[in-house]
Amino acid sequence: DGGITQSPKYLFRKEGQNVTLSCEQNLNHDAMYWYRQDPGQGLRLIYYSQIVNDFQKGDIAEGYSVSREKKESFPLTVTSAQKNPTAFYLCASSMRQPGEYGYTFGSGTRLTVV
Amino acid sequence: KQEVTQIPAALSVPEGENLVLNCSFTDSAIYNLQWFRQDPGKGLTSLLLIQSSQREQTSGRLNASLDKSSGRSTLYIAASQPGDSATYLCAVRPGLRNQGGKLIFGQGTELSVKP
Repeated sequence: DGGITQSPKYLFRKEGQNVTLSCEQNLNHDAMYWYRQDPGQGLRLIYYSQIVNDFQKGDIAEGYSVSREKKESFPLTVTSAQKNPTAFYLCASSMRQPGEYGYTFGSGTRLTVV
Repeated sequence: KQEVTQIPAALSVPEGENLVLNCSFTDSAIYNLQWFRQDPGKGLTSLLLIQSSQREQTSGRLNASLDKSSGRSTLYIAASQPGDSATYLCAVRPGLRNQGGKLIFGQGTELSVKP
């Protein structure tokens, strides 16, 4: 079955640590996205990538980094510069051109600072 | 700047009722609008996608309409069931080329259907 896999489901970070969230898709989608979800704030875009080896900052990119070395993979690193990283992180993918299938989301990673 | 608003923020209904969730957006230049469902602690599940040239889409007990000129969409749920309890999110894909395909989300409507 085609879909998006996010791992791990739960992640704990100590102060000063960098952590990496995994996102893999087998939908042959061109574009991939990372969103952050906080209670009462909705979904906010962190980074997005429309093609391999290219990505753009979203609305809240500070303290995060990404790479897009393969079409199927779009890992997100939460660096120590991100002062409030506790949140629910969602990865999504879509075709680069608007089409009939829209966005597909993964099941999310909940990151907690301990 | 495109903004998406969903009303109401929360809704509680008895089982069996028909209900309508509302979504409004400020810029009519969109490619499409997508309705999602989110269960607590889970990812988003796509319910319906309406292209800018379409007026409505239907899937089972769900019907979504789109009035692009007035910047409105509604999600109609017929004969609601306790299993419909979730947060429903509306999102638009802006039509401008420099938007990178990103979706703009509303804050969601939290629906509770009581047995």
